[in-house]
Amino acid sequence: GQQLNQSPQSMFIQEGEDVSMNCTSSSIFNTWLWYKQDPGEGPVLLIALYKAGELTSNGRLTAQFGITRKDSFLNISASIPSDVGIYFCAGPPLTGANNLFFGTGTRLTVIP
Amino acid sequence: DAGITQSPRHKVTETGTPVTLRCHQTENHRYMYWYRQDPGHGLRLIHYSYGVKDTDKGEVSDGYSVSRSKTEDFLLTLESATSSQTSVYFCAISEANTIYFGEGSWLTVV
Repeated sequence: GQQLNQSPQSMFIQEGEDVSMNCTSSSIFNTWLWYKQDPGEGPVLLIALYKAGELTSNGRLTAQFGITRKDSFLNISASIPSDVGIYFCAGPPLTGANNLFFGTGTRLTVIP
Repeated sequence: DAGITQSPRHKVTETGTPVTLRCHQTENHRYMYWYRQDPGHGLRLIHYSYGVKDTDKGEVSDGYSVSRSKTEDFLLTLESATSSQTSVYFCAISEANTIYFGEGSWLTVV
C-alpha cells in the first residue's frame, strides 16, 4: 500500500505549548484526513482536507493540505492535557477505492 | 457516533481455534471495513464490503475471511487463529468520503 510517513513519532510537550506534526507521502493524495486516538478507543476524525493549499481549523487544531498534494500538517495551539493521544494522518488511494491508507502515528504527551 | 458496535470487545483464544468478530451498524451505511492496528504499522485494511455479499480484500487479508449477509452486520473470521493475529481490530464505516471507526476489539491468541 501507499506509505504515509509521520513525524515526529512521539512528542513530549509542556501544557500550553503549541504542537506541529506532519505527514508526507511519495505519491499524491486528493484528500487528507487527521484522526486522534485515545487509549482504548477507536480513532476519531478531527479534520478533513479536500483541496491542495486548503487550511482548515477545528477549535485549537489547524490542518493544511500541502500544495504538492504529497504532504499535510497538523498544528495544535495552547495544548492541554486532554490532547494526549496518537494522531494519525490518512488518505484514500487515487484509484478511487473506498478505503484509507494510514500513517504510523504521532504519539503526543502533554506534561501538566 | 457513527452507530457502530463491535463484539466481543475483548477476547483471549488459543492458537488454532476459530474466532469471529462482529461489527453491527445502525445507519444503513453501504461500505464497511475491518482494520487491524499493530505497533509500528498503524492501521491496516484487512477486508472491506461495499454491499450485502459484496466484499474485497485489503492489504493484510491472509488468514481472514469476511461475510456480509445483512447490511447492518459485517463479520470477520479467523479460521484458525495464530499468535501473529494478536491485535486490535477496528470496524469502520464510510460516510461522506471519510471513515468512522468503532471502539475496537482486543484479540489475544495464546
